[in-house]
Amino acid sequence: DGGITQSPKYLFRKEGQNVTLSCEQNLNHDAMYWYRQDPGQGLRLIYYSQIVNDFQKGDIAEGYSVSREKKESFPLTVTSAQKNPTAFYLCASRGARQPQHFGDGTRLSIL
Amino acid sequence: QKEVEQNSGPLSVPEGAIASLNCTYSDRGSQSFFWYRQYSGKSPELIMSIYSNGDKEDGRFTAQLNKASQYVSLLIRDSQPSDSATYLCAVNVLNAGNNRKLIWGLGTSLAVNP
Repeated sequence: DGGITQSPKYLFRKEGQNVTLSCEQNLNHDAMYWYRQDPGQGLRLIYYSQIVNDFQKGDIAEGYSVSREKKESFPLTVTSAQKNPTAFYLCASRGARQPQHFGDGTRLSIL
Repeated sequence: QKEVEQNSGPLSVPEGAIASLNCTYSDRGSQSFFWYRQYSGKSPELIMSIYSNGDKEDGRFTAQLNKASQYVSLLIRDSQPSDSATYLCAVNVLNAGNNRKLIWGLGTSLAVNP
């Protein structure tokens, strides 16, 4: 089945630890996005990539890093520099002139 | 700052009624408009997209766009308890780097009462 797969569904981070969230799509989409959602706040864009080997910072990129080495994959690393990482992380992708579609999300919490 | 505004609700309607959700946006150059539904604890799901003025119907859903007044609305006919969710409005705008990005509203919570 075609779709966007995020893993893990739940993730716990210890102080000072980097964690990586996976996002894989088999829809042949060029563009991929990472958002963060907090209660009472709208979706906020962390990073996006419009083509392989290229990505741009979104509105809240500090404390995060990404890579786009393959078209299908756009992993997000939450570094220890991100002081308030607890949130619902959403990966999206879209084809040319198409709306964005989302994966099921990853919930990150602090231990 | 380009913005998208929605009434946070909760909007409460009886089963079978029409639910009307509204969204206003600030960027006059916006070309693409989207409605997503988000159930509690789940990711957003696209339900409607609209690109030109007027109405677009898909089953029980109708999206209405008025670019002159800078608003887009979503009507849900014959509302069902399963429609109870948060509805997110998203508008495609041109950012400073000449790239298009989605600006998201905070969402309107809809409760359909049996």
